[in-house]
Amino acid sequence: NAGVTQTPKFRILKIGQSMTLQCTQDMNHNYMYWYRQDPGMGLKLIYYSVGAGITDKGEVPNGYNVSRSTTEDFPLRLELAAPSQTSVYFCASSTSDEQFFGPGTRLTVL
Amino acid sequence: GQSLEQPSEVTAVEGAIVQINCTYQTSGFYGLSWYQQHDGGAPTFLSYNALDGLEETGRFSSFLSRSDSYGYLLLQELQMKDSASYFCAVRDRSNDYKLSFGAGTTVTVRA
Repeated sequence: NAGVTQTPKFRILKIGQSMTLQCTQDMNHNYMYWYRQDPGMGLKLIYYSVGAGITDKGEVPNGYNVSRSTTEDFPLRLELAAPSQTSVYFCASSTSDEQFFGPGTRLTVL
Repeated sequence: GQSLEQPSEVTAVEGAIVQINCTYQTSGFYGLSWYQQHDGGAPTFLSYNALDGLEETGRFSSFLSRSDSYGYLLLQELQMKDSASYFCAVRDRSNDYKLSFGAGTTVTVRA
């Protein structure tokens, strides 16, 4: 099992550009999450999904969108990148009490 | 909402014992988790406590007191590879059972 995979690993965007962060898991987990982590801080939940076709906002959803068309994939979309979205983004999946995290995407918006 | 407090930094020598405390405020507490994150890496699950008491997994143990809204992670026989950030996270019924993370404790192990 590859677990949770994320692409790309690194990305630099210009202000106003758009991009999609990809996340795939092969553990057949129903629950999937997107977090952002700013330097020296904990993880803030952006969006989450409890199964294919079902998504909901987390703590910091503004400026982001998600979709969940399959159990495996949970992409995160940034429509108009802003410097405040410079962060490390982690995708995670879970069945119950343990969350499995992907390696992260380091995003810089200039 | 939820709030969690944990110390920002702890330094100790190899072989020592470190205790990282976590106090929380939630309206529908369900469980307390601990995650480890090495610099630049992904968080990895260490433990989960839903009931009062001590859970032991090798050199690491986690404790929960629901009545005190308090838990701790105990790292024994510290090794250099234990240098990392440690996050407590609370699961809350009022937050749809999602995890809310603390800001993390950076543990530095010195030779």
